[in-house]
Amino acid sequence: AQKVTQAQTEISVVEKEDVTLDCVYETRDTTYYLFWYKQPPSGELVFLIRRNSFDEQNEISGRYSWNFQKSTSSFNFTITASQVVDSAVYFCALRSPMEYGNKLVFGAGTILRVKS
Amino acid sequence: DTAVSQTPKYLVTQMGNDKSIKCEQNLGHDTMYWYKQDSKKFLKIMFSYNNKELIINETVPNRFSPKSPDKAHLNLHINSLELGDSAVYFCASSQVGRKETQYFGPGTRLLVL
Repeated sequence: AQKVTQAQTEISVVEKEDVTLDCVYETRDTTYYLFWYKQPPSGELVFLIRRNSFDEQNEISGRYSWNFQKSTSSFNFTITASQVVDSAVYFCALRSPMEYGNKLVFGAGTILRVKS
Repeated sequence: DTAVSQTPKYLVTQMGNDKSIKCEQNLGHDTMYWYKQDSKKFLKIMFSYNNKELIINETVPNRFSPKSPDKAHLNLHINSLELGDSAVYFCASSQVGRKETQYFGPGTRLLVL
């Protein structure tokens, strides 16, 4: 079965703290794709990153970094030195083309609140 | 130069009415999608079209009918609206391939009274 779990419903931090958002996935496919999207209070869904299952290299983009670990089926997202503008709902998503076609299966989302 | 656009942004209507949401993408993608986000923020696929052909049709009531006149457009028509249809509907598009990424429209917030 295809499933994405974001166990943290809500996280509150103070500005400049580092925060990690967890994502655990399940799939029987050997080739699959993982994504993170951000949904700020304005409501749009903003693509952040795509990671292919055959590429386990971690990625850093400014204050954002992603840790993909196939052994634990996790794709965690860390924000370093958080800012108020990082406050949003963050979604992890999975695409398994062979098993389920091109649809994205989303986790329930993690609400991140960054206080000044 | 908006990549994926939806109209209207807000839709307030009475139970029993029929309404449509339009989606257009100017990214040259070959696949388009409709997702529904419920009041708890949960996102779920409804439909997907590839080159105007329906390829994903999740368990959605027959009252929902997607229509794709061409690759750049995917509209969603909803008949006999019910209270439970109140949600945010997102359109998305992607280009099938190894680097496929779905880009989302701004969403249409539907409220059925």
